[in-house]
Amino acid sequence: AQSVTQLGSHVSVSEGALVLLRCNYSSSVPPYLFWYVQYPNQGLQLLLKYTSAATLVKGINGFEAEFKKSETSFHLTKPSAHMSDAAEYFCAVSDSGGGADGLTFGKGTHLIIQP
Amino acid sequence: EPEVTQTPSHQVTQMGQEVILRCVPISNHLYFYWYRQILGQKVEFLVSFYNNEISEKSEIFDDQFSVERPDGSNFTLKIRSTKLEDSAMYFCASTGGRGADTQYFGPGTRLTVL
Repeated sequence: AQSVTQLGSHVSVSEGALVLLRCNYSSSVPPYLFWYVQYPNQGLQLLLKYTSAATLVKGINGFEAEFKKSETSFHLTKPSAHMSDAAEYFCAVSDSGGGADGLTFGKGTHLIIQP
Repeated sequence: EPEVTQTPSHQVTQMGQEVILRCVPISNHLYFYWYRQILGQKVEFLVSFYNNEISEKSEIFDDQFSVERPDGSNFTLKIRSTKLEDSAMYFCASTGGRGADTQYFGPGTRLTVL
């Protein structure tokens, strides 16, 4: 069974500071990993995804994430936070095609940007 | 840009009543999903649907739930007899393929059971 752990339900950073949102996963097969963002009153929007190609994945809005198999991690980073980055961020895992197609999500991290 | 739409945005119902949540997936997509998020908890997979039948379902998706694609565009989730614990945000998603293909999510329907 797959699972995702997101450390920190709330993360607060200053505008212009580094953003680091942590995600650790467990999977019995090589995983596909995703980061989604949810702005207030909106659906989930894909930021980026890892699909066993490059371990450093670049996404939209200046975000990137690095897949580290040895650490079973897929942390999300952005060098310089912007006020518009304030949102809820979800890490999710999917297996490589067999079994359930549904994504397994973490609990989410609420990113707060301080002016 | 194509998007998944859901109606209504908010549904209030009495315990024991039937509700139908509606979704219009992206038109050329083949796989459809329902997820739910109870307030303060993680987003949970309910069911996936392909080729007019359920592909996979989670433990949550018991006999009180059903899904249907009645007319080739809509994708519905029916809860036959709602319980208080069904109160949640329900998200529909669709994708062109399995595995790594991006699942595109709708804005959600907030279901409140009184």
